[in-house]
Amino acid sequence: AQTVTQSQPEMSVQEAETVTLSCTYDTSESDYYLFWYKQPPSRQMILVIRQEAYKQQNATENRFSVNFQKAAKSFSLKISDSQLGDAAMYFCANTGAGSYQLTFGKGTKLSVIP
Amino acid sequence: NAGVTQTPKFQVLKTGQSMTLQCAQDMNHEYMSWYRQDPGMGLRLIHYSVGAGITDQGEVPNGYNVSRSTTEDFPLRLLSAAPSQTSVYFCASRNLRLAGALNEQFFGPGTRLTVL
Repeated sequence: AQTVTQSQPEMSVQEAETVTLSCTYDTSESDYYLFWYKQPPSRQMILVIRQEAYKQQNATENRFSVNFQKAAKSFSLKISDSQLGDAAMYFCANTGAGSYQLTFGKGTKLSVIP
Repeated sequence: NAGVTQTPKFQVLKTGQSMTLQCAQDMNHEYMSWYRQDPGMGLRLIHYSVGAGITDQGEVPNGYNVSRSTTEDFPLRLLSAAPSQTSVYFCASRNLRLAGALNEQFFGPGTRLTVL
């Protein structure tokens, strides 16, 4: 069984500043993948960044990066130089390599203050 | 490529009515799935399919039926709608031939369903 916990229901950040969203997970799988999805008010689910558990190097996509701590089962998302368009719900998700189920956290609502 | 499409975008039902939410993808993905999103709950898997003729239950399957007669389509049926099924429904697809985290799920735009 897999669980994903996002302990921050809401967060805010000043435009151009940096913010970190927290995510912890639990899994019995030895090979698994982690994702961050963004859901703007349009409701569309957009993949922000992905991490393969066997890779030690933290994933980076432009202004988005993760801090993957495998032993601690932690997968936080850092957004640098925050922009107004970053305001959205952010979901952390986990799936095992052989699994057909993507398990989501409850989400963090990010507000960006101009 | 239209990606994953869902119809309708919005729907209001009365308790006991039936309806089918439509989902189609044009990426030749083997895997398709349905999730529901409730406030404060994240997304939860209802049913999924790994190919035509193959379906399986997810975390919250009760009250929903699915079938997969073609690779492209994966409809979700509510046989007798209940207020507890008021939610936003997302369809997603995935290419099972890709390895690792490249095997991401692509989501449709969602259907907001209200059951009165």
